[in-house]
Amino acid sequence: SQQGEEDPQALSIQEGENATMNCSYKTSINNLQWYRQNSGRGLVHLILIRSNEREKHSGRLRVTLDTSKKSSSLLITASRAADTASYFCATGLRQGAQKLVFGQGTRLTINP
Amino acid sequence: EAQVTQNPRYLITVTGKKLTVTCSQNMNHEYMSWYRQDPGLGLRQIYYSMNVEVTDKGDVPEGYKVSRKEKRNFPLILESPSPNQTSLYFCASSYLMPGRPVGNNEQFFGPGTRLTVL
Repeated sequence: SQQGEEDPQALSIQEGENATMNCSYKTSINNLQWYRQNSGRGLVHLILIRSNEREKHSGRLRVTLDTSKKSSSLLITASRAADTASYFCATGLRQGAQKLVFGQGTRLTINP
Repeated sequence: EAQVTQNPRYLITVTGKKLTVTCSQNMNHEYMSWYRQDPGLGLRQIYYSMNVEVTDKGDVPEGYKVSRKEKRNFPLILESPSPNQTSLYFCASSYLMPGRPVGNNEQFFGPGTRLTVL
């Protein structure tokens, strides 16, 4: 099964509201990354949080990491229509294959 | 501009007709990877390469080949495409620090290639 699993699978909110997406994973990680994908296009890196960090900010993005619960959350504040996209978490494993393991994503829709 | 390019962006072909999807990056990245994205299945890694002449299988390598003769290029080859290879394909690259996991660094993605095999 996937290392990273996002929750919810889909989220629809009004413009200006905050959006929170969650990611759970199974094995020990070096870091966790979040990516955005606009419909049918390439993924764009948003933020990377290392396993020894608990919280990180970038503009309107806030990411938290709880390694004891093997979970992370992505908060987008003051959402805009342009934030409509799919959001994926990806885990960089401590051991094993040299790759990022992606979850299935959360589809976020911002309604004007 | 730092980027990963893929060609073609869209391709419709027939079963059994060999095809190549090219991928090129201009960031001097050591690591390159191919993914396929299917509804409900997320991104699955097909093949990856740690450097020139070093390639390895990902999670779903069956029916695909790759080569890494030059650092900037990482073509994906479908020798005999089948309908179950209809998918959205992404190439990605990243910097790789010696001895460190590839997951330590962000990956840069190409725009995608939408392949339909009839």
